[in-house]
Amino acid sequence: AQKVTQAQTEISVVEKEDVTLDCVYETRDTTYYLFWYKQPPSGELVFLIRRNSFDEQNEISGRYSWNFQKSTSSFNFTITASQVVDSAVYFCALSVYGQNFVFGPGTRLSVLP
Amino acid sequence: DAGITQSPRHKVTETGTPVTLRCHQTENHRYMYWYRQDPGHGLRLIHYSYGVKDTDKGEVSDGYSVSRSKTEDFLLTLESATSSQTSVYFCAISEPYTTTGGEKLFFGSGTQLSVL
Repeated sequence: AQKVTQAQTEISVVEKEDVTLDCVYETRDTTYYLFWYKQPPSGELVFLIRRNSFDEQNEISGRYSWNFQKSTSSFNFTITASQVVDSAVYFCALSVYGQNFVFGPGTRLSVLP
Repeated sequence: DAGITQSPRHKVTETGTPVTLRCHQTENHRYMYWYRQDPGHGLRLIHYSYGVKDTDKGEVSDGYSVSRSKTEDFLLTLESATSSQTSVYFCAISEPYTTTGGEKLFFGSGTQLSVL
């Protein structure tokens, strides 16, 4: 069975601080996909990134970066120089063979001005 | 953005009444899903469909049924609503897995259901 753990329930930072959201996953499959979604206060779910299990390169997109480490089954998300607009709930998710998406419980990030 | 419409957006109902939530897509995607979102649990899969009249149970399917008579519509029914089914319900679509890579989920805007 697949499982995703996001140990940080809530995080508060002051604007311009860097913040890392942790994600640890469990699966016995060798082919899988990892995702991050953002849910702003408006409630919609916004796709941020997808990473497959064969690509361990870290990725950077503007202020966002992702660190994928198979050795520790982690897929952590870092926001550099956080902004108030980054305040949201962030979900890490895992899918096997492209289906059976499993989501973590989410981390609520509050960025204070 | 993926063309997914959920209706209604908000619903208040009483315990014991039947409730149907509708998900409509314009993308002609084969796979459709119903999730519920609750604090501390993230999103949990209720049911999913992999084609017309082809559905399967998810992690939290008890008390729910689904139907898919057309590619574009996926209905979620609470036969007899209970207070524990108060939640935010999200519909999602995805393309099936291929050798080129798994597909991401596109979500509807959600339905806030309150069972009193």
